[in-house]
Amino acid sequence: EADIYQTPRYLVIGTGKKITLECSQTMGHDKMYWYQQDPGMELHLIHYSYGVNSTEKGDLSSESTVSRIRTEHFPLTLESARPSHTSQYLCASSVYGNTEAFFGQGTRLTVV
Amino acid sequence: QKEVEQNSGPLSVPEGAIASLNCTYSDRGSQSFFWYRQYSGKSPELIMSIYSNGDKEDGRFTAQLNKASQYVSLLIRDSQPSDSATYLCAVRGGTYKYIFGTGTRLKVLA
Repeated sequence: EADIYQTPRYLVIGTGKKITLECSQTMGHDKMYWYQQDPGMELHLIHYSYGVNSTEKGDLSSESTVSRIRTEHFPLTLESARPSHTSQYLCASSVYGNTEAFFGQGTRLTVV
Repeated sequence: QKEVEQNSGPLSVPEGAIASLNCTYSDRGSQSFFWYRQYSGKSPELIMSIYSNGDKEDGRFTAQLNKASQYVSLLIRDSQPSDSATYLCAVRGGTYKYIFGTGTRLKVLA
């Protein structure tokens, strides 16, 4: 079982608020990813990291930012939440090489 | 053309039958291929990974890879109602990004 944790699991927040979604893994994986998924839709990569102090934007334009100061921690921040940010956010990690990615349980965000 | 393509379904099969799920990808440099299962409202969980041409079996699941045809498939034998979920095909290339298909929704009828 993968040890990757996301908090909070559910979040309802008002428009304009700043929010940070937490993602931590205890497996020592160097690569970490954030995906966004609307209900019944495909996963879109919004950010990824190859290691500490390395972050890249994904294929889907996003108003969020990420940081990678520690190997185990990859938080995602929205400076000013909007209703269009309502979605499920999934964090994943993998080890170097052609290996699988493991997912956290996700954060379901609703912006009202 | 999408990088990873799957038929969205739903694919309906009777209990005990074989379910066949298919996926094509566009990047010939892709090196790793994965099948994930996702229940509604949950996160994806890995079912199979496959890296070389041919078949790979794990219990009731068999993954098949044909790099020349850029085609990956997943067979589920003796399908059970608990197998009803969305199955995601994922491909990883040299950039270490995992690109997912839209998923195929499988319904196993009791």
